[in-house]
Amino acid sequence: SQQGEEDPQALSIQEGENATMNCSYKTSINNLQWYRQNSGRGLVHLILIRSNEREKHSGRLRVTLDTSKKSSSLLITASRAADTASYFCATDTGGFKTIFGAGTRLFVKA
Amino acid sequence: SAVISQKPSRDICQRGTSLTIQCQVDSQVTMMFWYRQQPGQSLTLIATANQGSEATYESGFVIDKFPISRPNLTFSTLTVSNMSPEDSSIYLCSVRREGETQYFGPGTRLLVL
Repeated sequence: SQQGEEDPQALSIQEGENATMNCSYKTSINNLQWYRQNSGRGLVHLILIRSNEREKHSGRLRVTLDTSKKSSSLLITASRAADTASYFCATDTGGFKTIFGAGTRLFVKA
Repeated sequence: SAVISQKPSRDICQRGTSLTIQCQVDSQVTMMFWYRQQPGQSLTLIATANQGSEATYESGFVIDKFPISRPNLTFSTLTVSNMSPEDSSIYLCSVRREGETQYFGPGTRLLVL
């Protein structure tokens, strides 16, 4: 069964706007990772945030983690058409298994 | 990071046949996994490929349907047996080293007619 649930399921924005995607999970985690997938291809790893961290940045990406609410968010600032993809959160609950959420489909209009 | 290749990248198969997917990593890794992504869905873990022993399967997946080999620390195969149209999916190989980050191969896109 999936650990994470993401919302929204789909998001359509204009180029230059910010995109925020949320992920909620059910059990305690060691870390949470965000991935991007373009058109059903392989997954690209974006950011890993550990359970004792609250925020991480990587370029235009900002990830937050609230373990008390069992939720995380991914913010993409100044979006570009090339950011159009599906974004997945994935949780590591220990035991070396990574469990994926349902994903958010982001469409950035040029 | 890890460079992962998969063969074939895609295939179209007839129902009742079997397909073996290969996963090759550029260097030794501790953990290797196989995932399935059905059309429009997220990724579901099929099994953990264990070097030198039987794979560990997740609930809903069985060895007879998805036999897995892992002869060494850089290579694994997943076979999809006795295929039906419901097996049409993307199959992804994934690895972890000692760190926490998990990396994915480009996937094998399978269509069963």
